[in-house]
Amino acid sequence: QKEVEQNSGPLSVPEGAIASLNCTYSDRVSQSFFWYRQYSGKSPELIMSIYSNGDKEDGRFTAQLNKASQYVSLLIRDSQPSDSATYLCAVALSGGSYIPTFGRGTSLIVHP
Amino acid sequence: DGGITQSPKYLFRKEGQNVTLSCEQNLNHDAMYWYRQDPGQGLRLIYYSQIVNDFQKGDIAEGYSVSREKKESFPLTVTSAQKNPTAFYLCASRRGDREGTEAFFGQGTRLTVV
Repeated sequence: QKEVEQNSGPLSVPEGAIASLNCTYSDRVSQSFFWYRQYSGKSPELIMSIYSNGDKEDGRFTAQLNKASQYVSLLIRDSQPSDSATYLCAVALSGGSYIPTFGRGTSLIVHP
Repeated sequence: DGGITQSPKYLFRKEGQNVTLSCEQNLNHDAMYWYRQDPGQGLRLIYYSQIVNDFQKGDIAEGYSVSREKKESFPLTVTSAQKNPTAFYLCASRRGDREGTEAFFGQGTRLTVV
């Protein structure tokens, strides 16, 4: 069974702090990794995609990938109350179909 | 504007009734997906389609059916065989059957059994 694991949280951080969200996956041949943000009652919105080991930065967001450890993370710098949401990690598994498989998500609360 | 449109936004189903959820995209994407989300849960794959006139079951296909007669449309029917259909249904699409392409979502349909 291919799995994507996330701590459900909630993760609570003060405004202006760095929020660190983590995700592990079980399929060693996974190739593509994505972070989505989902506000309550809304559909997921793509934040970042990462395909190679290392860091990828986009504004306040940094995705980190370590394929050897089967670990992907998302850092949010200068966290804002508007960042409060559930963050979903998704992994596209190889094998021909590249179907995105999602973790359960981590709830982030940024308090003023 | 390009995007994925799901309708209706809210849907109420009576016991024993079949209902169809619409998903239309104008992104010229080849692959389309249906996911189900229950409160506090992640997204579970119901069905997916990589090309027109072809689709495959996902992890929780029982009680659901789909069709893919046009590239831009992938409707989902929730049949009376689905015993617990109350959930948030999400349609997504991707550019194609290639690694490195992101999936984008419609706004979702919230289905409630009354």
